[in-house]
Amino acid sequence: EDQVTQSPEALRLQEGESSSLNCSYTVSGLRGLFWYRQDPGKGPEFLFTLYSAGEEKEKERLKATLTKKESFLHITAPKPEDSATYLCAVHTGNQFYFGTGTSLTVIP
Amino acid sequence: DTAVSQTPKYLVTQMGNDKSIKCEQNLGHDTMYWYKQDSKKFLKIMFSYNNKELIINETVPNRFSPKSPDKAHLNLHINSLELGDSAVYFCASSRQGSGNTIYFGEGSWLTVV
Repeated sequence: EDQVTQSPEALRLQEGESSSLNCSYTVSGLRGLFWYRQDPGKGPEFLFTLYSAGEEKEKERLKATLTKKESFLHITAPKPEDSATYLCAVHTGNQFYFGTGTSLTVIP
Repeated sequence: DTAVSQTPKYLVTQMGNDKSIKCEQNLGHDTMYWYKQDSKKFLKIMFSYNNKELIINETVPNRFSPKSPDKAHLNLHINSLELGDSAVYFCASSRQGSGNTIYFGEGSWLTVV
């Protein structure tokens, strides 16, 4: 059965304290892995798409990487404005499967 | 300009009522979706339409009926609302084909009392 699991469920960081979020997946026929950011009261906002193992994408303090079984979202020197829920999703060609997200809080 | 817009943003209604949520996208996409997000932030697909044709219909009560008058619009009508229908409903769209990014609207907060 296709499955997407994110960890940790919640993460509290001090401002400037780098860390990584994990997205593990077991799907047949990965067509793309997507990272979204969701702020309270808002819809998911697209961040990155990764298509093949070894691929990396960067945007400001965020860097996403992909292996055959998981993806990491690395956050370097986070700021309070990075606080949000980060969602991972995989596309199998038939459907998008979302993980349950990691709620990130960055404390000044 | 808002890419995927949905109305209303907030909706409070009584059990047994019928309500609709409207969605429009101006991205020129062929595929539109309705997702439901529960209190634990889990996003689950309900329906997917491609060029006005239903292509995904997950296990959703038949009280929920999507309608796509054209490929830029996908509305969600809900009959006989129940307490358990309270959730956030997101409309989304993408280009046709696998691996394409899905873009979401801002969500519609439905509360059934």
